[in-house]
Amino acid sequence: ELKVEQNPLFLSMQEGKNYTIYCNYSTTSDRLYWYRQDPGKSLESLFVLLSNGAVKQEGRLMASLDTKARLSTLHITAAVHDLSATYFCAVDMRAYSGGGADGLTFGKGTHLIIQP
Amino acid sequence: KAGVTQTPRYLIKTRGQQVTLSCSPISGHRSVSWYQQTPGQGLQFLFEYFSETQRNKGNFPGRFSGRQFSNSRSEMNVSTLELGDSALYLCASSLAWTGTYEQYFGPGTRLTVT
Repeated sequence: ELKVEQNPLFLSMQEGKNYTIYCNYSTTSDRLYWYRQDPGKSLESLFVLLSNGAVKQEGRLMASLDTKARLSTLHITAAVHDLSATYFCAVDMRAYSGGGADGLTFGKGTHLIIQP
Repeated sequence: KAGVTQTPRYLIKTRGQQVTLSCSPISGHRSVSWYQQTPGQGLQFLFEYFSETQRNKGNFPGRFSGRQFSNSRSEMNVSTLELGDSALYLCASSLAWTGTYEQYFGPGTRLTVT
């Protein structure tokens, strides 16, 4: 059974600081996604990581994937209040199962609060 | 390009009733997946449809069912509702069920069971 673990689950930080959210998963996959969710809202796609060593950046967020370590990171640089949200990583196993995998498997999410 | 739409957005039902939720994927997307989100269990996969066929099913009881129509629109049905079925139900569409296509999520239907 695929397990996806995020840490930390809760993070309170000040504006201007840097921090990293970690996503570990238990089974081989080279497809990992990061999503953002604001309170009461749906999931917004942030990054799609499709190969070992993949690095994507958008504004103050940068995501990377190390498939050998089964680890993805989401790095926040010089945080601003608008980045306060819950961030989810999700692993996609569908390509490895001939269609028998269970869709996306999500981590529990990292609830990020950025204080002025 | 219109995004994924879900109807209704909010729903209140009583225990024992049944409910049908609808999802219209992004135009051209043939894969539709459903997820349940609760504070306790987080985001859990329900099922995925592609070309009117259920490809995958998550670990949910048979009370949860779904279908997909020829225009790729999908519905999910929950029969004999229980209090624990209160959740945000999210639909996601993608170009295909395999390959490198990411899933795009709809706004969700918030179901409250009383």
